[in-house]
Amino acid sequence: QSALTQPPSASGSPGQSVTISCTGTSSDVGGYNYVSWYQHHPGKAPKLMIYEVSKRPSGVPDRFSGSKSDNTASLTVSGLQAEDEANYYCTSYAGSNSLVFGGGTKLTVL
Amino acid sequence: QVQLVQSGSELKKPGASVKVSCKLSGYTFTTYAMHWVRQAPGQGLEWMGWINGYTRNPTYGQGFAGRFVLSLDTSLRTAYLQISSLKADDTAVYFCATSGTILSPFDYWGQGTLVTVSS
Repeated sequence: QSALTQPPSASGSPGQSVTISCTGTSSDVGGYNYVSWYQHHPGKAPKLMIYEVSKRPSGVPDRFSGSKSDNTASLTVSGLQAEDEANYYCTSYAGSNSLVFGGGTKLTVL
Repeated sequence: QVQLVQSGSELKKPGASVKVSCKLSGYTFTTYAMHWVRQAPGQGLEWMGWINGYTRNPTYGQGFAGRFVLSLDTSLRTAYLQISSLKADDTAVYFCATSGTILSPFDYWGQGTLVTVSS
């Protein structure tokens, strides 16, 4: 399976909203509601932000939200804060007991 | 408190093998999935595969069959990633991570193990 497609970078000013897309195919993103999003600060372990397309784990601010339309999932960060600056990765179940990651998006808070 | 503790950094020569360990503690469920994720320098995260904590059956991601072997010692609750015939482009940080099932998100991560392949 090929990596999911994410924009290499995204940016926004504090307080603004930014949306990161994650495009796959009907064999992964479009075929299952098992899309997750992870926040990764270099040198640290990734942190789960969204799972099953739009569910938020306990402790994750409600500024983070997820959605999906056809073969594209999206992560929206509202009310951007400086600490949101990180790399974000989507993953999706891809059938046959396999997963696939997106290429990652570097979010910069201007 | 759930913890995944990985073995330390490794420096290997091309052609050698390496075995990275990941010990799981504090996880009360009898069934779980142990995943391995690679991050090469300057690159993104890449799913390598997973091993079923109950059946010990491994599944490999695209491009990770052959030289990569996932195994699990259930009595020690320790997962292993063995890479043989190392190449320079195997240089990466390797993470282990758990999930309840293959459909569940990664809920706990190890700290990562840097494997450097250099002559």
